[in-house]
Amino acid sequence: EAGVAQSPRYKIIEKRQSVAFWCNPISGHATLYWYQQILGQGPKLLIQFQNNGVVDDSQLPKDRFSAERLKGVDSTLKIQPAKLEDSAVYLCASSPGVLETQYFGPGTRLLVL
Amino acid sequence: EDKVVQSPLSLVVHEGDTVTLNCSYEVTNFRSLLWYKQEKKAPTFLFMLTSSGIEKKSGRLSSILDKKELFSILNITATQTGDSAVYLCAVEVNTNAGKSTFGDGTTLTVKP
Repeated sequence: EAGVAQSPRYKIIEKRQSVAFWCNPISGHATLYWYQQILGQGPKLLIQFQNNGVVDDSQLPKDRFSAERLKGVDSTLKIQPAKLEDSAVYLCASSPGVLETQYFGPGTRLLVL
Repeated sequence: EDKVVQSPLSLVVHEGDTVTLNCSYEVTNFRSLLWYKQEKKAPTFLFMLTSSGIEKKSGRLSSILDKKELFSILNITATQTGDSAVYLCAVEVNTNAGKSTFGDGTTLTVKP
């Protein structure tokens, strides 16, 4: 069974630029999560989708971050404009449903200069 | 605000040693506590604990939850260099979203 796919694996941008990350969850998984993991810290949930609906985005900085999962399968996370403090690994995870085991993708490491 | 605290922050041991990692939590509407191993980038699931006092075991790893004192421990016996990783603890709450709050992890280094 294929795992969670993410791209790109690495991205370097300058502050105030825009960036987008892509995630393709495990086939059939209804729940998709985006986490931000700053170096030395645990993952912090940014947004959680159930199919194509948002279940929790309470920790998403909505002035600069946006995410969508239009067809209830793959998802994109965008940052516009980026700040230095956005440098982190962005992890995507999926699970068959809410409160089921989450499977993480390899992450995208973002460096904002 | 939900809080998960792990200790120690980092640990260096030699192969064959036994280690105990700690996770304490303060959350509203606790549902489960999970342990993950993070090597390089993606956390991989180890255990889910929902009931107090019941040990979960997988090979040399074991974990137990104390819902009265609000903590869990992860034990690794006869450590190997391949156990070197960041070990993350997360707590899920019983809401529609089932949100997970992660601790900052314990970095374990096992030296040959």
